[in-house]
Amino acid sequence: EAGVAQSPRYKIIEKRQSVAFWCNPISGHATLYWYQQILGQGPKLLIQFQNNGVVDDSQLPKDRFSAERLKGVDSTLKIQPAKLEDSAVYLCASSIRTGLQTQYFGPGTRLLVL
Amino acid sequence: AQRVTQPEKLLSVFKGAPVELKCNYSYSGSPELFWYVQYSRQRLQLLLRHISRESIKGFTADLNKGETSFHLKKPFAQEEDSAMYYCALSGDGGTSYGKLTFGQGTILTVHP
Repeated sequence: EAGVAQSPRYKIIEKRQSVAFWCNPISGHATLYWYQQILGQGPKLLIQFQNNGVVDDSQLPKDRFSAERLKGVDSTLKIQPAKLEDSAVYLCASSIRTGLQTQYFGPGTRLLVL
Repeated sequence: AQRVTQPEKLLSVFKGAPVELKCNYSYSGSPELFWYVQYSRQRLQLLLRHISRESIKGFTADLNKGETSFHLKKPFAQEEDSAMYYCALSGDGGTSYGKLTFGQGTILTVHP
């Protein structure tokens, strides 16, 4: 079974630029999560989708971050404009459905904002 | 609000020694607790969960609601246990159900 795929794996941008990350979850998984992991900290949930609807985006900085999952499969996370403090690893995870299901993580995208 | 605390950033033991990774949580309801692990150059993956009452790779964890703890234990550590370990909590209802809150992680190093 193929795992969660993410691209790009690494990205370096300057502050105030925009960037987008892509995630392809495990086939058949209805729930998709985006996490931000700052160096030295645990992952922090940014947004959770159930199919193509948002379940929880309470910790998403909506003035600069946006995410979508238009067809209920792939998802993109965008930052515009980026700030220095956005430097982090962005993890995508998926699970069969919402609830106490095992979350399967992708390899992450490491973002450096200069 | 839900919060997870892992007081040790680094933990070093020798092979064959017992190991305990500490996890304390703050949550007003009945949480579900998890341990996730990330081996070098691998993805974050589930190690075990309280609800399953399993022992995975020799690791066990007991939920102590009185002490609000979910410490991870293994009686005899192996070199391949060296990794980053994260404790995580999910709430029991409402918007917190299924939403994982992670601790800061503990790097375990098992020396030969």
